[in-house]
Amino acid sequence: EAQVTQNPRYLITVTGKKLTVTCSQNMNHEYMSWYRQDPGLGLRQIYYSMNVEVTDKGDVPEGYKVSRKEKRNFPLILESPSPNQTSLYFCASSPRARVENEQFFGPGTRLTVL
Amino acid sequence: AQSVTQLDSHVSVSEGTPVLLRCNYSSSYSPSLFWYVQHPNKGLQLLLKYTSAATLVKGINGFEAEFKKSETSFHLTKPSAHMSDAAEYFCVVSESGGSYIPTFGRGTSLIVHP
Repeated sequence: EAQVTQNPRYLITVTGKKLTVTCSQNMNHEYMSWYRQDPGLGLRQIYYSMNVEVTDKGDVPEGYKVSRKEKRNFPLILESPSPNQTSLYFCASSPRARVENEQFFGPGTRLTVL
Repeated sequence: AQSVTQLDSHVSVSEGTPVLLRCNYSSSYSPSLFWYVQHPNKGLQLLLKYTSAATLVKGINGFEAEFKKSETSFHLTKPSAHMSDAAEYFCVVSESGGSYIPTFGRGTSLIVHP
């Protein structure tokens, strides 16, 4: 089944404890991205990747890191999480970075930082 | 620059009555426009998209939207609401000629009463 998977689905952590949220897609998509969803704000893009080893900042990149060493994986790293990073996170992928392409979303990761 | 405004944060309808979710956009270039649906505790799923072909776009589950350039609108409609339509709906704009960072609206929560 074609899909985007994220792990973990739920995570509670404490301020300053490094964490990684994994994202993987099995559709051979070139474009991948991370979003955070906060009540009343919709989805805001954190980082995106056009292809392997090519990443760039989205609208809200502060406090996050990403890497794209393989085409299928695009992990999101919080090196020193803070409470304002408590949010619902979505990974998405698209065949190519073209404005007419739809994105395929993972199920989401709900992160709470205490 | 691109932006999108969903004019209603909540829309409440009775089952069997029409649905109208309003979206206005702003774009410096030719835009692609999307509607996504998010059911509770789920990721986002594409409902329909406009990419400069037919201005009336039909999507899944009986939804459709009309691109009106003169009004810079892309409203989502359905003739008859079903209980299963209760969800959060997002309007999204991407424009050619710019960086590929789609802009999401803040979402409209559709409530369907029996």
